[in-house]
Amino acid sequence: LAKTTQPISMDSYEGQEVNITCSHNNIATNDYITWYQQFPSQGPRFIIQGYKTKVTNEVASLFIPADRKSSTLSLPRVSLSDTAVYYCLVGPPGSSASKIIFGSGTRLSIRP
Amino acid sequence: GAVVSQHPSRVICKSGTSVKIECRSLDFQATTMFWYRQFPKKSLMLMATSNEGSKATYEQGVEKDKFLINHASLTLSTLTVTSAHPEDSSFYICSARDRKREGYNEQFFGPGTRLTVL
Repeated sequence: LAKTTQPISMDSYEGQEVNITCSHNNIATNDYITWYQQFPSQGPRFIIQGYKTKVTNEVASLFIPADRKSSTLSLPRVSLSDTAVYYCLVGPPGSSASKIIFGSGTRLSIRP
Repeated sequence: GAVVSQHPSRVICKSGTSVKIECRSLDFQATTMFWYRQFPKKSLMLMATSNEGSKATYEQGVEKDKFLINHASLTLSTLTVTSAHPEDSSFYICSARDRKREGYNEQFFGPGTRLTVL
């Protein structure tokens, strides 16, 4: 399982765009990149998943360069409710035995 | 869709007692469920993989006799913390994979159970 490295914490202000970068130098050819969000005392929530280039949904965008050794989660115009821990995970799809190993995550704090 | 529930959401027990936590997939079937524990301000730590109809697979360092896992149906997995002690106090989270979407690497997480052992 590819190991991921993220900043431990980030601060931003309401209305700003926030970009969180994750390094995964040992990503395998068939690995996907997935981001989860976790609020205190709640289970993680799926945000976005991608394999290459750019993926966008109603919540965020995910940018993946050609070498796939890193990825950037982009949150447009954040609000106070985006304060949470964000986890970047890398792993293969498919096998029913596929397990997710969480890294340390990035603690994002949004200020008024 | 893809909702996972846990019961109870919060439990307080005395040292030495056993506590059972249920994890249910409400609108899908899950051949595989996962159990995690999380200490304050720390990341989730995978404890075991629960497989429907077979024995659970435990991660290194997790005592299988201490944390009993049963996955008796496609919608229910249970974690029993036996002879609980204060150091077992933690936030326990389960997740489930939709058997119809096992081609995708996605898990749906429950809301978690806060266990406090006095």
